[in-house]
Amino acid sequence: GAVVSQHPSWVICKSGTSVKIECRSLDFQATTMFWYRQFPKQSLMLMATSNEGSKATYEQGVEKDKFLINHASLTLSTLTVTSAHPEDSSFYICSARAQGQGHSYEQYFGPGTRLTVT
Amino acid sequence: AQKVTQAQTEISVVEKEDVTLDCVYETRDTTYYLFWYKQPPSGELVFLIRRNSFDEQNEISGRYSWNFQKSTSSFNFTITASQVVDSAVYFCALSRSPSNTGNQFYFGTGTSLTVIP
Repeated sequence: GAVVSQHPSWVICKSGTSVKIECRSLDFQATTMFWYRQFPKQSLMLMATSNEGSKATYEQGVEKDKFLINHASLTLSTLTVTSAHPEDSSFYICSARAQGQGHSYEQYFGPGTRLTVT
Repeated sequence: AQKVTQAQTEISVVEKEDVTLDCVYETRDTTYYLFWYKQPPSGELVFLIRRNSFDEQNEISGRYSWNFQKSTSSFNFTITASQVVDSAVYFCALSRSPSNTGNQFYFGTGTSLTVIP
């Protein structure tokens, strides 16, 4: 089956620093990737939609200057949390929308990245 | 607008009991997909099932079964003879037609299931 990886799986950083999270589709191409955020004991909320070769579309209330998204290739999207603060501590999950290759535009989720900002 | 409601926040059952997790959705689309995911403490979402809006057949997979009823906009999930390993948070989700480039997932708030040995 299709596999989506995320790196790192967990990260601890100091307040004020930036953290980059990678989302890769390992065996399929993904023109669209989605970034979700999940706070403890809460649901997953869409942060942004990332399209290869174009600017990401952010959901209302998500600061695009703080959460930088780059989708430079058909298999990689990155989320950079800039000047992270403790309130950014969360579980970040990406999903990749497969195109062609018999996937029928199905989406596959990555394993998530747990970010803790101290 | 799309919306998924899981009214049950937490459920506890004793091992071997049956348990049903409720899911009610809202959408104006005629073509949509419904999903159930399991999220164990590790956090990784485990895909359980996907149904499209044109297929109302109930499905059974081992101890799991799903009841999709468009008339009540519900997609309930039943675990038969629950086991401790079933303890997790379960999410119901809805997505729009795959051909819709904006087909993000709309997740319910999740139901935390605890199976007591």
